[in-house]
Amino acid sequence: DAGVIQSPRHEVTEMGQEVTLRCKPISGHNSLFWYRQTMMRGLELLIYFNNNVPIDDSGMPEDRFSAKMPNASFSTLKIQPSEPRDSAVYFCASSLVGRGLRLANQPQHFGDGTRLSIL
Amino acid sequence: GNSVTQMEGPVTLSEEAFLTINCTYTATGYPSLFWYVQYPGEGLQLLLKATKADDKGSNKGFEATYRKETTSFHLEKGSVQVSDSAVYFCALAPSGGSNYKLTFGKGTLLTVNP
Repeated sequence: DAGVIQSPRHEVTEMGQEVTLRCKPISGHNSLFWYRQTMMRGLELLIYFNNNVPIDDSGMPEDRFSAKMPNASFSTLKIQPSEPRDSAVYFCASSLVGRGLRLANQPQHFGDGTRLSIL
Repeated sequence: GNSVTQMEGPVTLSEEAFLTINCTYTATGYPSLFWYVQYPGEGLQLLLKATKADDKGSNKGFEATYRKETTSFHLEKGSVQVSDSAVYFCALAPSGGSNYKLTFGKGTLLTVNP
């Protein structure tokens, strides 16, 4: 079975440029998460979608960050304009929550991440 | 707020040594507890979980017991292998409405030498 697929794996760009990260969740999963990982702050949840609807975006750092999920099989995280402090590894994860299932008990399946460097 | 504290790394062991990585948490109610593992260049993978007090999660020779009285979820393995070298993350999911919101520890880098 295909896991969570993220692209690109690596991105190097100059400050001020727009960056778009992409994620394809596991087929059939209805919950999607974007995380950021840095040495200083560890893993932080940026945004959580359920059934393609943003449920919690309280972790999005500022207005420069935006995320969309136009359908069940695709999500994007966009940074515009990018800054050097946005350099991090960004992970997408997906999970399945069904009737009677508690989301907390369902594993989140992570992609391999996008390593973003802003010069 | 919720928090997870795990032992500072890095941890370096010889093959077949005993492993313990300590994890304690702060949360209200009855959170679910997890250990995730991250191999180099990859995303996190769920290693094991426990959803209520005194539950023991186990997988691939690793074990952890949910101890509510000490708010701990220490990871143990009796005999580590070189292939266990990775970063290990302790995490919790709160009970209640925000139960999707995993709180992770900082991670512990484990290196196992042959």
